[in-house]
Amino acid sequence: QKEVEQDPGPLSVPEGAIVSLNCTYSNSAFQYFMWYRQYSRKGPELLMYTYSSGNKEDGRFTAQVDKSSKYISLFIRDSQPSDSATYLCAMTLIGGYQKVTFGIGTKLQVIP
Amino acid sequence: DTAVSQTPKYLVTQMGNDKSIKCEQNLGHDTMYWYKQDSKKFLKIMFSYNNKELIINETVPNRFSPKSPDKAHLNLHINSLELGDSAVYFCASSTPQGAAAFFGQGTRLTVV
Repeated sequence: QKEVEQDPGPLSVPEGAIVSLNCTYSNSAFQYFMWYRQYSRKGPELLMYTYSSGNKEDGRFTAQVDKSSKYISLFIRDSQPSDSATYLCAMTLIGGYQKVTFGIGTKLQVIP
Repeated sequence: DTAVSQTPKYLVTQMGNDKSIKCEQNLGHDTMYWYKQDSKKFLKIMFSYNNKELIINETVPNRFSPKSPDKAHLNLHINSLELGDSAVYFCASSTPQGAAAFFGQGTRLTVV
């Protein structure tokens, strides 16, 4: 079993839809949870960064962490064609240079 | 001004050759990383350095040798390149307190 499981998709949604992206993980010691967006042939770009359980909102993006279920989510409201990219979840045991473990990424396509 | 920059962006070389990839960050971060993204888009950490000191070496073959001349630079030298080394290599940096990293644009290495 991989430490972090993420459905690679692709996920196609119409413009304006609410998108839900998810990851599950097996190591209950993970404390920091991140979401990255990666456009084709570009480096990953940090979108959201949360510590432990709870919600965090930034504009159209909301990150949720449920440590009891070992489940994290990223919601995108009013999705735009410019949101079309691969979204990678990532997590680490503690902050800093400890090993960051990534999911494989979900490819999202928002259709105009 | 690019925060994390890598050179070259593309690298095509023959098996058995030795090559280097350079990385520089102007964010003032103490921690730098090398990641490998394979053909299945899976992103995996190879090395991390904190203030020029090697912190993480993720069972990478010793043909790969990172070098950090100062905390703003982390280079990757690869000896005796093999076909399986073909991938996109990303440099990243972060503060020691933050697991979230800023990535460069990647170096697409193709070994023929």
